[in-house]
Amino acid sequence: GQQVMQIPQYQHVQEGEDFTTYCNSSTTLSNIQWYKQRPGGHPVFLIQLVKSGEVKKQKRLTFQFGEAKKNSSLHITATQTTDVGTYFCAGDTGRRALTFGSGTRLQVQP
Amino acid sequence: GAVVSQHPSWVICKSGTSVKIECRSLDFQATTMFWYRQFPKQSLMLMATSNEGSKATYEQGVEKDKFLINHASLTLSTLTVTSAHPEDSSFYICSARDFGAGTDTQYFGPGTRLTVL
Repeated sequence: GQQVMQIPQYQHVQEGEDFTTYCNSSTTLSNIQWYKQRPGGHPVFLIQLVKSGEVKKQKRLTFQFGEAKKNSSLHITATQTTDVGTYFCAGDTGRRALTFGSGTRLQVQP
Repeated sequence: GAVVSQHPSWVICKSGTSVKIECRSLDFQATTMFWYRQFPKQSLMLMATSNEGSKATYEQGVEKDKFLINHASLTLSTLTVTSAHPEDSSFYICSARDFGAGTDTQYFGPGTRLTVL
């Protein structure tokens, strides 16, 4: 079945440093979505990427969808303590359910 | 954006009892809802796809007789964990897709934390 891998599993940064998490799917995706989950909370939708090579920005967050629509990345510039949480990518192959990546847990040291 | 609610938000029960979790789409109709399970420090794993008016589709390894899903209306799906055991303790999250206006966006409920003693 479809697999979505995410790296790294965990990253600890100093506040102000940049952070990137990478997502790779074993199959071509119709779109990819990114979610953030705070400890004890539920996943919160961040963004959806649909087009090959698409790049979207949300303030300090930059999302990219690969040309082959099988990989994606999330980059955070100048991290803040409020960025702490686990970031999940979720691949949509069009079968309606999402396949979640393993997640990257971000810890930001003040 | 659209809202999906879940009830209860948390539940503690004794081993052997059954627990029902409700998932509601509050301001849109959802012909399809999804049930996910998340164990501590792990990712969300799809358990089943709930289809309004028909049987749910279960993922491989998920026991359909243990996790009963009913999608009786366009705004409500229920997941019943029957004869719950401690290994069923987990965070159960539902989601619903809003296909209205071509958005095809998936909205997640706040989750239900189940603890089986």
